[in-house]
Amino acid sequence: DGGITQSPKYLFRKEGQNVTLSCEQNLNHDAMYWYRQDPGQGLRLIYYSQIVNDFQKGDIAEGYSVSREKKESFPLTVTSAQKNPTAFYLCASTTALYSNQPQHFGDGTRLSIL
Amino acid sequence: SQQGEEDPQALSIQEGENATMNCSYKTSINNLQWYRQNSGRGLVHLILIRSNEREKHSGRLRVTLDTSKKSSSLLITASRAADTASYFCAGGSNYKLTFGKGTLLTVNP
Repeated sequence: DGGITQSPKYLFRKEGQNVTLSCEQNLNHDAMYWYRQDPGQGLRLIYYSQIVNDFQKGDIAEGYSVSREKKESFPLTVTSAQKNPTAFYLCASTTALYSNQPQHFGDGTRLSIL
Repeated sequence: SQQGEEDPQALSIQEGENATMNCSYKTSINNLQWYRQNSGRGLVHLILIRSNEREKHSGRLRVTLDTSKKSSSLLITASRAADTASYFCAGGSNYKLTFGKGTLLTVNP
């Protein structure tokens, strides 16, 4: 079955540590996105990528970094500069970088601070 | 910034009843999408309505869009306990979607 796989499901970060969240898709989609969701809130866009080796900052990119070396993969690194990283992180993809396409989501990674 | 604001924030109904959720948005959009999220899971796309459409149906779902009022509504008919979830509207413009805070729907058996 085609879909988006996020791992790990739960992740704990120590002070001063960088952590990387994995997102892999086998839908052959060009565009990929990372969102952050806080309790009782909607999704906020962190980064997006429309093609391999290209990515753009979203609304809340500070303290995060991404790479897009392969079409299938769009990992997100939460750096030590992100002072409030506790949240639910969701990865999504679409066929192309147009807002008129439905987005397909993974099942998320819940990040907590130790 | 939040594009959509759903109303109500929470809704509790009995199985078999209809559920209506409303969404208001701030800026111009190309389309309005509705998503569902079960607790601790990712979002699932339900329906997309384009800015030149007024109403759309999909199974037990009915979506309306009023661009003059910058508002949309999602109606779920004959609700089931399995419909219990959070529902989000998202305004599509340019390259991205901007999500509201969601409505938590509880359908009691």
